[in-house]
Amino acid sequence: AQSVTQPDIHITVSEGASLELRCNYSYGATPYLFWYVQSPGQGLQLLLKYFSGDTLVQGIKGFEAEFKRSQSSFNLRKPSVHWSDAAEYFCAVGASNNNDMRFGAGTRLTVKP
Amino acid sequence: EPEVTQTPSHQVTQMGQEVILRCVPISNHLYFYWYRQILGQKVEFLVSFYNNEISEKSEIFDDQFSVERPDGSNFTLKIRSTKLEDSAMYFCASRDAGGQPQHFGDGTRLSIL
Repeated sequence: AQSVTQPDIHITVSEGASLELRCNYSYGATPYLFWYVQSPGQGLQLLLKYFSGDTLVQGIKGFEAEFKRSQSSFNLRKPSVHWSDAAEYFCAVGASNNNDMRFGAGTRLTVKP
Repeated sequence: EPEVTQTPSHQVTQMGQEVILRCVPISNHLYFYWYRQILGQKVEFLVSFYNNEISEKSEIFDDQFSVERPDGSNFTLKIRSTKLEDSAMYFCASRDAGGQPQHFGDGTRLSIL
């Protein structure tokens, strides 16, 4: 079965600084990969997804992620963080049929003024 | 943009009571899911549902849980005899065919007293 590891539980960055959130997955075939964001008390909003093709995917709110098969990684990046980006970020991996999606434990992002 | 809607937003129930959490998936979607997020923990897959039957379920989804699509629009999760450890945020998700990403509702916070 697939699994996801997000090594960083909590990250703090200054507003305007760049951001990279790490995600490593385990799955025997080509995975479906996702990043979701969750603001306090809210649901999960899809930031971006990777199914196939170009390994650098662009998402909403200026986020991007790069699929690196050799490293089993799908790290999320943003060149300049805004205070409104403070939230919990979840990486998720799905099997080819996109059922039974598995989430990482999440990374909480704090943005300093 | 169409949304997955969940009701109620917060449900408080006495231990041992039955509870039904309701979801209205996006209207043309065919695959339906329930996830659970215990406070401060990661999102956990419970069950997936397609063509009026369960397609996959996790070890969490024991005999106390059931799902139903009683009509063409609703998708429900029933917990027969609630326990304290059932207290969590429950998310419904849906997607269309072709492996597209799952769209999540805002969740129902279930509190068991």
